[in-house]
Amino acid sequence: DVKVTQSSRYLVKRTGEKVFLECVQDMDHENMFWYRQDPGLGLRLIYFSYDVKMKEKGDIPEGYSVSREKKERFSLILESASTNQTSMYLCASSRTASRVETQYFGPGTRLLVL
Amino acid sequence: GQNIDQPTEMTATEGAIVQINCTYQTSGFNGLFWYQQHAGEAPTFLSYNVLDGLEEKGRFSSFLSRSKGYSYLLLKELQMKDSASYLCAAYQAGTALIFGKGTTLSVSS
Repeated sequence: DVKVTQSSRYLVKRTGEKVFLECVQDMDHENMFWYRQDPGLGLRLIYFSYDVKMKEKGDIPEGYSVSREKKERFSLILESASTNQTSMYLCASSRTASRVETQYFGPGTRLLVL
Repeated sequence: GQNIDQPTEMTATEGAIVQINCTYQTSGFNGLFWYQQHAGEAPTFLSYNVLDGLEEKGRFSSFLSRSKGYSYLLLKELQMKDSASYLCAAYQAGTALIFGKGTTLSVSS
Protein backbone atom coordinates (compact mmCIF):
# COMPACT_ATOMS: atom_id res chain seq x y z
CA ASP A 1 0.00 0.00 0.00
CA VAL A 2 1.15 3.49 -0.78
CA LYS A 3 1.69 5.54 2.33
CA VAL A 4 1.86 9.32 2.39
CA THR A 5 2.45 10.85 5.79
CA GLN A 6 2.37 14.44 6.95
CA SER A 7 4.25 15.71 9.96
CA SER A 8 1.28 17.13 11.85
CA ARG A 9 -2.50 16.68 11.80
CA TYR A 10 -3.14 20.00 13.55
CA LEU A 11 -0.94 23.08 13.84
CA VAL A 12 -1.49 26.48 15.44
CA LYS A 13 0.88 29.30 14.53
CA ARG A 14 1.03 33.05 14.97
CA THR A 15 1.01 35.65 12.21
CA GLY A 16 4.53 36.23 10.91
CA GLU A 17 5.92 32.88 12.01
CA LYS A 18 7.80 30.67 9.57
CA VAL A 19 5.94 27.39 9.16
CA PHE A 20 7.23 24.11 7.79
CA LEU A 21 4.87 21.35 6.65
CA GLU A 22 6.56 18.06 5.90
CA CYS A 23 5.35 15.26 3.65
CA VAL A 24 6.95 11.85 3.18
CA GLN A 25 5.99 9.04 0.80
CA ASP A 26 7.38 5.54 0.95
CA MET A 27 6.72 4.25 -2.58
CA ASP A 28 9.56 5.85 -4.55
CA HIS A 29 7.11 8.13 -6.36
CA GLU A 30 8.53 10.75 -8.71
CA ASN A 31 5.75 13.32 -8.35
CA MET A 32 4.72 15.12 -5.20
CA PHE A 33 2.10 17.82 -4.73
CA TRP A 34 0.90 20.34 -2.16
CA TYR A 35 -2.74 21.46 -2.15
CA ARG A 36 -4.82 23.54 0.15
CA GLN A 37 -8.51 22.84 0.65
CA ASP A 38 -11.00 25.49 1.72
CA PRO A 39 -14.80 25.32 2.01
CA GLY A 40 -16.46 26.39 -1.21
CA LEU A 41 -13.15 26.54 -3.07
CA GLY A 42 -12.19 22.89 -3.27
CA LEU A 43 -8.65 21.62 -3.69
CA ARG A 44 -6.20 24.13 -5.13
CA LEU A 45 -2.67 23.27 -6.20
CA ILE A 46 0.09 25.30 -4.56
CA TYR A 47 3.26 23.64 -5.90
CA PHE A 48 4.32 20.34 -7.32
CA SER A 49 7.58 18.57 -7.98
CA TYR A 50 8.37 15.88 -10.52
CA ASP A 51 11.93 15.20 -9.40
CA VAL A 52 14.43 15.96 -6.67
CA LYS A 53 15.29 19.66 -6.55
CA MET A 54 12.66 20.40 -9.21
CA LYS A 55 9.52 22.42 -8.51
CA GLU A 56 6.68 23.91 -10.48
CA LYS A 57 4.20 26.56 -9.41
CA GLY A 58 0.59 25.56 -9.19
CA ASP A 59 -2.43 27.82 -9.21
CA ILE A 60 -1.79 29.66 -5.92
CA PRO A 61 1.95 29.75 -5.11
CA GLU A 62 2.01 33.24 -3.60
CA GLY A 63 3.15 33.25 0.01
CA TYR A 64 4.54 29.69 -0.20
CA SER A 65 7.77 28.01 -1.15
CA VAL A 66 8.76 24.34 -1.35
CA SER A 67 11.80 22.18 -0.98
CA ARG A 68 12.56 18.71 -2.32
CA GLU A 69 16.05 17.64 -1.35
CA LYS A 70 15.22 13.92 -1.27
CA LYS A 71 12.87 11.95 -3.46
CA GLU A 72 10.65 10.82 -0.62
CA ARG A 73 10.25 14.19 1.10
CA PHE A 74 8.48 17.36 -0.05
CA SER A 75 8.26 20.35 2.27
CA LEU A 76 5.92 23.30 2.11
CA ILE A 77 7.18 26.51 3.69
CA LEU A 78 5.16 29.53 4.73
CA GLU A 79 7.84 32.21 5.05
CA SER A 80 5.66 34.54 7.10
CA ALA A 81 2.31 33.01 8.00
CA SER A 82 -0.79 35.11 7.58
CA THR A 83 -4.37 34.52 8.74
CA ASN A 84 -5.54 33.90 5.17
CA GLN A 85 -3.29 30.86 5.10
CA THR A 86 -5.48 29.14 7.69
CA SER A 87 -6.56 26.05 5.80
CA MET A 88 -6.33 22.29 5.38
CA TYR A 89 -3.09 21.37 3.60
CA LEU A 90 -2.94 18.11 1.70
CA CYS A 91 0.13 16.46 0.28
CA ALA A 92 -0.11 13.89 -2.53
CA SER A 93 2.23 11.76 -4.59
CA SER A 94 2.03 9.84 -7.85
CA ARG A 95 4.35 7.35 -9.44
CA THR A 96 5.62 9.03 -12.56
CA ALA A 97 5.22 12.09 -14.73
CA SER A 98 5.53 10.15 -17.98
CA ARG A 99 1.90 9.04 -17.99
CA VAL A 100 -1.31 9.52 -16.08
CA GLU A 101 -1.08 8.12 -12.60
CA THR A 102 -3.37 8.10 -9.58
CA GLN A 103 -2.49 10.58 -6.87
CA TYR A 104 -2.35 9.29 -3.31
CA PHE A 105 -3.07 11.74 -0.53
CA GLY A 106 -1.73 12.15 2.96
CA PRO A 107 -4.09 12.67 5.93
CA GLY A 108 -3.80 16.45 5.80
CA THR A 109 -2.58 19.16 8.16
CA ARG A 110 -5.15 21.57 9.53
CA LEU A 111 -3.29 24.85 10.05
CA LEU A 112 -4.69 27.70 12.09
CA VAL A 113 -2.86 31.03 11.92
CA LEU A 114 -3.78 33.44 14.70
CA GLY B 1 -9.59 28.55 -19.52
CA GLN B 2 -9.87 25.68 -17.09
CA ASN B 3 -13.13 24.93 -15.37
CA ILE B 4 -14.65 21.99 -13.57
CA ASP B 5 -18.30 22.15 -12.48
CA GLN B 6 -20.20 19.79 -10.24
CA PRO B 7 -23.22 20.29 -7.96
CA THR B 8 -22.45 21.51 -4.46
CA GLU B 9 -24.78 19.20 -2.56
CA MET B 10 -26.99 16.18 -3.14
CA THR B 11 -29.19 14.10 -0.87
CA ALA B 12 -30.45 10.55 -1.26
CA THR B 13 -31.83 7.69 0.80
CA GLU B 14 -30.32 4.33 1.64
CA GLY B 15 -30.70 1.76 -1.11
CA ALA B 16 -31.26 4.37 -3.81
CA ILE B 17 -29.17 5.23 -6.87
CA VAL B 18 -27.56 8.64 -7.25
CA GLN B 19 -25.72 10.21 -10.19
CA ILE B 20 -23.19 12.98 -9.61
CA ASN B 21 -22.45 14.97 -12.74
CA CYS B 22 -19.26 16.78 -13.67
CA THR B 23 -18.56 19.02 -16.65
CA TYR B 24 -15.10 20.19 -17.53
CA GLN B 25 -13.26 22.55 -19.82
CA THR B 26 -9.52 22.04 -19.91
CA SER B 27 -6.81 22.18 -22.52
CA GLY B 28 -4.73 19.06 -23.08
CA PHE B 29 -7.31 16.86 -21.41
CA ASN B 30 -5.94 13.43 -20.63
CA GLY B 31 -8.41 11.73 -18.33
CA LEU B 32 -10.95 12.21 -15.56
CA PHE B 33 -10.61 11.07 -11.95
CA TRP B 34 -13.18 10.67 -9.20
CA TYR B 35 -12.14 10.77 -5.55
CA GLN B 36 -14.14 10.20 -2.37
CA GLN B 37 -13.43 12.27 0.72
CA HIS B 38 -15.03 11.64 4.10
CA ALA B 39 -15.19 14.60 6.48
CA GLY B 40 -11.80 15.32 8.02
CA GLU B 41 -10.03 12.69 5.95
CA ALA B 42 -7.87 12.58 2.84
CA PRO B 43 -9.36 12.03 -0.62
CA THR B 44 -9.18 8.43 -1.79
CA PHE B 45 -9.16 7.27 -5.40
CA LEU B 46 -12.40 5.86 -6.83
CA SER B 47 -12.06 5.74 -10.61
CA TYR B 48 -10.25 6.96 -13.69
CA ASN B 49 -11.67 7.31 -17.22
CA VAL B 50 -9.65 8.24 -20.27
CA LEU B 51 -11.79 6.68 -23.02
CA ASP B 52 -15.47 7.34 -23.65
CA GLY B 53 -17.83 4.98 -21.94
CA LEU B 54 -18.74 3.42 -18.66
CA GLU B 55 -16.32 1.88 -16.16
CA GLU B 56 -17.96 -0.28 -13.51
CA LYS B 57 -16.43 -1.13 -10.18
CA GLY B 58 -18.82 -2.79 -7.77
CA ARG B 59 -21.50 -0.37 -6.61
CA PHE B 60 -19.71 2.55 -8.24
CA SER B 61 -19.55 3.32 -11.97
CA SER B 62 -18.04 6.25 -13.81
CA PHE B 63 -18.86 7.51 -17.29
CA LEU B 64 -16.98 9.81 -19.63
CA SER B 65 -17.90 11.63 -22.83
CA ARG B 66 -14.86 13.48 -24.15
CA SER B 67 -16.77 15.18 -26.95
CA LYS B 68 -19.23 16.67 -24.46
CA GLY B 69 -16.72 17.40 -21.69
CA TYR B 70 -18.93 15.45 -19.32
CA SER B 71 -18.58 12.74 -16.73
CA TYR B 72 -20.74 11.23 -14.05
CA LEU B 73 -20.28 9.01 -11.03
CA LEU B 74 -23.09 6.56 -10.39
CA LEU B 75 -23.54 5.11 -6.92
CA LYS B 76 -25.93 2.19 -6.53
CA GLU B 77 -27.46 0.58 -3.44
CA LEU B 78 -26.52 3.58 -1.37
CA GLN B 79 -25.29 3.02 2.16
CA MET B 80 -24.93 5.47 5.03
CA LYS B 81 -21.15 5.20 4.74
CA ASP B 82 -21.38 6.69 1.24
CA SER B 83 -22.09 10.07 2.83
CA ALA B 84 -19.00 12.01 1.76
CA SER B 85 -17.71 14.57 -0.69
CA TYR B 86 -17.07 13.38 -4.23
CA LEU B 87 -14.36 15.20 -6.15
CA CYS B 88 -14.14 15.30 -9.91
CA ALA B 89 -10.66 16.05 -11.28
CA ALA B 90 -9.42 16.45 -14.85
CA TYR B 91 -5.87 15.56 -15.76
CA GLN B 92 -3.97 17.94 -17.99
CA ALA B 93 -1.04 16.40 -19.81
CA GLY B 94 2.27 17.49 -18.39
CA THR B 95 0.85 19.23 -15.38
CA ALA B 96 -1.35 18.13 -12.54
CA LEU B 97 -4.95 17.42 -11.65
CA ILE B 98 -7.51 20.19 -11.73
CA PHE B 99 -10.15 19.58 -9.11
CA GLY B 100 -13.77 20.61 -8.99
CA LYS B 101 -15.11 22.03 -5.74
CA GLY B 102 -16.67 18.73 -4.78
CA THR B 103 -20.21 17.43 -4.28
CA THR B 104 -21.30 16.70 -0.72
CA LEU B 105 -23.60 13.68 -0.69
CA SER B 106 -25.82 13.06 2.32
CA VAL B 107 -27.42 9.63 2.60
CA SER B 108 -30.32 9.28 5.00
CA SER B 109 -32.16 6.21 6.26
